[in-house]
Amino acid sequence: EAGVAQSPRYKIIEKRQSVAFWCNPISGHATLYWYQQILGQGPKLLIQFQNNGVVDDSQLPKDRFSAERLKGVDSTLKIQPAKLEDSAVYLCASSREADTQYFGPGTRLTVL
Amino acid sequence: KQEVTQIPAALSVPEGENLVLNCSFTDSAIYNLQWFRQDPGKGLTSLLLIQSSQREQTSGRLNASLDKSSGRSTLYIAASQPGDSATYLCAVRGGGNQFYFGTGTSLTVIP
Repeated sequence: EAGVAQSPRYKIIEKRQSVAFWCNPISGHATLYWYQQILGQGPKLLIQFQNNGVVDDSQLPKDRFSAERLKGVDSTLKIQPAKLEDSAVYLCASSREADTQYFGPGTRLTVL
Repeated sequence: KQEVTQIPAALSVPEGENLVLNCSFTDSAIYNLQWFRQDPGKGLTSLLLIQSSQREQTSGRLNASLDKSSGRSTLYIAASQPGDSATYLCAVRGGGNQFYFGTGTSLTVIP
């Protein structure tokens, strides 16, 4: 089966600009996760969707980050405006239920 | 809040050695614990998932154990190979359906 797809793989922007990331989960996986991984740290969960509903977004900085999952399949994560501390790898993962997670390759964001 | 710690942060071993990676968590009320492998510049690959009711899981040369009461898990790698070089992360799923990751152990297996 095809894995989790993410795009773009790399993005460089200046602070205060906007950026969006896209994720296509494994077919049939109801649960989708967005993580932020800062260099040298473990991934931090930003938001979790069950189908197209939000299960947990307690660690999402809602003043600048937003995410949606239209039709319970693809998802986009947006940052507006970006700050220097947003430089990180943004990982998308999916699972059938809340068990084994399958991760995409990630999007490496650099904010200058 | 759940805190997950992995020790050591880095480990270097000669090829063929058996090794153990450690993961500890502060809140024993977990649903499951998962071990991942992360290669440089890539996403995470799931290695083993242990449900809270289980004590261990095995896959090939890998064996993961879980002691929920003491808040510990270990990942045992037998007969290490250079291809095992990567960062190994553990993650726990808590009662609120939240996932918490450790900071990882960077493993280097020297040929």
